[in-house]
Amino acid sequence: GAVVSQHPSRVICKSGTSVKIECRSLDFQATTMFWYRQFPKQSLMLMATSNEGSKATYEQGVEKDKFLINHASLTLSTLTVTSAHPEDSSFYICSARPIRDSTKETQYFGPGTRLLVL
Amino acid sequence: SQQGEEDPQALSIQEGENATMNCSYKTSINNLQWYRQNSGRGLVHLILIRSNEREKHSGRLRVTLDTSKKSSSLLITASRAADTASYFCATDAGGNEKLTFGTGTRLTIIP
Repeated sequence: GAVVSQHPSRVICKSGTSVKIECRSLDFQATTMFWYRQFPKQSLMLMATSNEGSKATYEQGVEKDKFLINHASLTLSTLTVTSAHPEDSSFYICSARPIRDSTKETQYFGPGTRLLVL
Repeated sequence: SQQGEEDPQALSIQEGENATMNCSYKTSINNLQWYRQNSGRGLVHLILIRSNEREKHSGRLRVTLDTSKKSSSLLITASRAADTASYFCATDAGGNEKLTFGTGTRLTIIP
């Protein structure tokens, strides 16, 4: 159990377009999901914390108007990269924290989405 | 930046040898976790050690935690080619539920 999926797994788009990435918890419910960005050969940097039914909390330096996050249900969060530019090309990874985890220690990670903006 | 650091950045060893990776962090923590990432893939959770624990084992993995030095180590014994991956430590400071990842160690096991 505890599987998190992301769709699409990779996407290529033209500069100026918007791209939506979905993160789903397949066999558990998650009130909290996290979005990370990872540049090649670098670590994961937290972008935002997504809470079901409320606004996302963005990390310092992350533009909330550029990276729109919607957490409409207990199993789905979406990240939309608006007006994407080549510098937004990166590996985007989500994680989800199960409601049943009372210790709040566990995050299950998705397989990631590779975004290439031309 | 609150990001932790790991050393070495890269490590190549012969199959069968032991691999040790170190992680240092900056703030007080609730727990520290180790993850593995194969190239271009998501993260796999390996082991979690809480701040009141000093050592933990899971199969061929051994993790130590020294909160006075704000450091942790991951030992992989009897390495296999399939262990080739990047390894990241991540700290949970508690309260805000966020994980802060270290810079990672790229481990290559030579068959």
